[in-house]
Amino acid sequence: DVKVTQSSRYLVKRTGEKVFLECVQDMDHENMFWYRQDPGLGLRLIYFSYDVKMKEKGDIPEGYSVSREKKERFSLILESASTNQTSMYLCASSLTDRVNIQYFGAGTRLSVL
Amino acid sequence: ELKVEQNPLFLSMQEGKNYTIYCNYSTTSDRLYWYRQDPGKSLESLFVLLSNGAVKQEGRLMASLDTKARLSTLHITAAVHDLSATYFCAVDRRYSGGGADGLTFGKGTHLIIQP
Repeated sequence: DVKVTQSSRYLVKRTGEKVFLECVQDMDHENMFWYRQDPGLGLRLIYFSYDVKMKEKGDIPEGYSVSREKKERFSLILESASTNQTSMYLCASSLTDRVNIQYFGAGTRLSVL
Repeated sequence: ELKVEQNPLFLSMQEGKNYTIYCNYSTTSDRLYWYRQDPGKSLESLFVLLSNGAVKQEGRLMASLDTKARLSTLHITAAVHDLSATYFCAVDRRYSGGGADGLTFGKGTHLIIQP
């Protein structure tokens, strides 16, 4: 089974802190993604990566950055956390093939106070 | 701007009934995904529809795709309580026939099936 592991299920941070969310996948997938999920808005793509050290902006990249130094690991960074970044963050990975199914981690619920 | 619209957004129904969730999208992609999310859990892939006219079935759920109408449906037959969940449809954000990109999701249909 594909496994996408997010390092924390719950995080509480203060405004202005630098926050790191970590994601690891064990299926040798080329592609990794970060989404945020908010009630009434569904999931929105923040950033994705199609290869080591490669990244592309998604639909809502402002206030975020990412890092992919190894194929299996994709980090989301909040440089200076703000209250409007309180959300559920979901990591996903996929293989580059015709089907492109994305496999999701369990999510990190981040609260910024 | 790519749009994916689901309706209804909320559905309460009784066990044994049939119902359909609709997903309209604005892209020309011929690839569409359905996911399920249980409360407090992550998303689980249900179906991937890869071409016009594609139909996939798993148990009491059946999904279909009409790329000309830019419409996908998720049909529930003789609903049971275990199917209570939120269902999302999604399309490739910038489908170009290959290569990676993220998905654009609908807002989800919160389905409650009452015994």
